[in-house]
Amino acid sequence: AQSVTQLGSHVSVSEGALVLLRCNYSSSVPPYLFWYVQYPNQGLQLLLKYTTGATLVKGINGFEAEFKKSETSFHLTKPSAHMSDAAEYFCAGTTGGFKTIFGAGTRLFVKA
Amino acid sequence: EAGVAQSPRYKIIEKRQSVAFWCNPISGHATLYWYQQILGQGPKLLIQFQNNGVVDDSQLPKDRFSAERLKGVDSTLKIQPAKLEDSAVYLCASSPQRTGGTDTQYFGPGTRLTVL
Repeated sequence: AQSVTQLGSHVSVSEGALVLLRCNYSSSVPPYLFWYVQYPNQGLQLLLKYTTGATLVKGINGFEAEFKKSETSFHLTKPSAHMSDAAEYFCAGTTGGFKTIFGAGTRLFVKA
Repeated sequence: EAGVAQSPRYKIIEKRQSVAFWCNPISGHATLYWYQQILGQGPKLLIQFQNNGVVDDSQLPKDRFSAERLKGVDSTLKIQPAKLEDSAVYLCASSPQRTGGTDTQYFGPGTRLTVL
């Protein structure tokens, strides 16, 4: 069965520092992968997605993620954190059955 | 473009009572999803509609939960009777395509349900 695992329920970085949020998937076939962000009292919003083609995917707000099949990973990065990046981030994946599985989420804290 | 609308935003009920949530997806979106998000967890798919037909309801507790999507547009999710463990945020999302495998899902703000 497909699963999506996010390492670290909480990540804290200083403003201006590198953001790295980890996501691993378990699937017998390469999935479609997504990162969503959820700000307080709001719905989820797509940051970026990988379907096919280039494995380095760029998203909104300076975020990017790289699909690494050999490592079954899809980690999210941003070179320089901003206070406005504080939110909860969800990695998700779908396979041929088109059912989306979400990870448990990682809450990002940004310190001034 | 108007986003996904949900109501109510908050609901508090006693256990064994009934509750209903409403969702209006983005106009023209074929696929509609209901998710349950328990505190500290990621969203879990309850039911997925393609137009007004059910694509997946494998994780819907059918003894107490029901959902319908009339005329392939609005949708309602009902819980009857509610249990304490149903306390969660119920998210509605929609996507443009027929099956939504690679689609971006557009989420509403959610309904926060508290069962006492």
